[in-house]
Amino acid sequence: DQQVKQNSPSLSVQEGRISILNCDYTNSMFDYFLWYKKYPAEGPTFLISISSIKDKNEDGRFTVFLNKSAKHLSLHIVPSQPGDSAVYFCAALNYGGSQGNLIFGKGTKLSVKP
Amino acid sequence: NAGVTQTPKFRVLKTGQSMTLLCAQDMNHEYMYWYRQDPGMGLRLIHYSVGEGTTAKGEVPDGYNVSRLKKQNFLLGLESAAPSQTSVYFCASSDQSAGELFFGEGSRLTVL
Repeated sequence: DQQVKQNSPSLSVQEGRISILNCDYTNSMFDYFLWYKKYPAEGPTFLISISSIKDKNEDGRFTVFLNKSAKHLSLHIVPSQPGDSAVYFCAALNYGGSQGNLIFGKGTKLSVKP
Repeated sequence: NAGVTQTPKFRVLKTGQSMTLLCAQDMNHEYMYWYRQDPGMGLRLIHYSVGEGTTAKGEVPDGYNVSRLKKQNFLLGLESAAPSQTSVYFCASSDQSAGELFFGEGSRLTVL
């Protein structure tokens, strides 16, 4: 049973517009959430995170929103740039639980068209 | 600044052969991890280590063994490779329990 779900395998957006990537989770014990970006033939790189005590975290063009009641988080990229084209993984963690228990979603491939 | 380095980058094995993937990190991180990535499956944790001399099982540990004899190195071993172990393997490290991980570039393993 998937604990972290990214239901959209792919997303295509025009350059300059907003990209919204969604992530749902089922485990109410998760209290820390992260987004990673992955280019082909490279390892994932950390992008942004949010603690369950917050509902929003912003870093430049990237903003993550957390809706705990809906067990849903989203990553907004504004404005989108062609260099943002990558696979984005949502990940969740129970900080109070067993170590190493970072659970990843299956990823969403974002394509930003010039 | 090397970060996390994995060797080899590519390897082709025959069923039943053994091999070891080496991960080295130069950030003095306590925690190290091995993940595998398969199409449509995301990243799944194989084994991890919370410090030198320690190892623990992750989500998909069967068929793999690991060792952390030195703080900077984390080895992933396949004693008898199977086609189901064809995958891209990623090593990662962090200075705290999970959270922000630093990944290597990946090792693509094909088992025929």
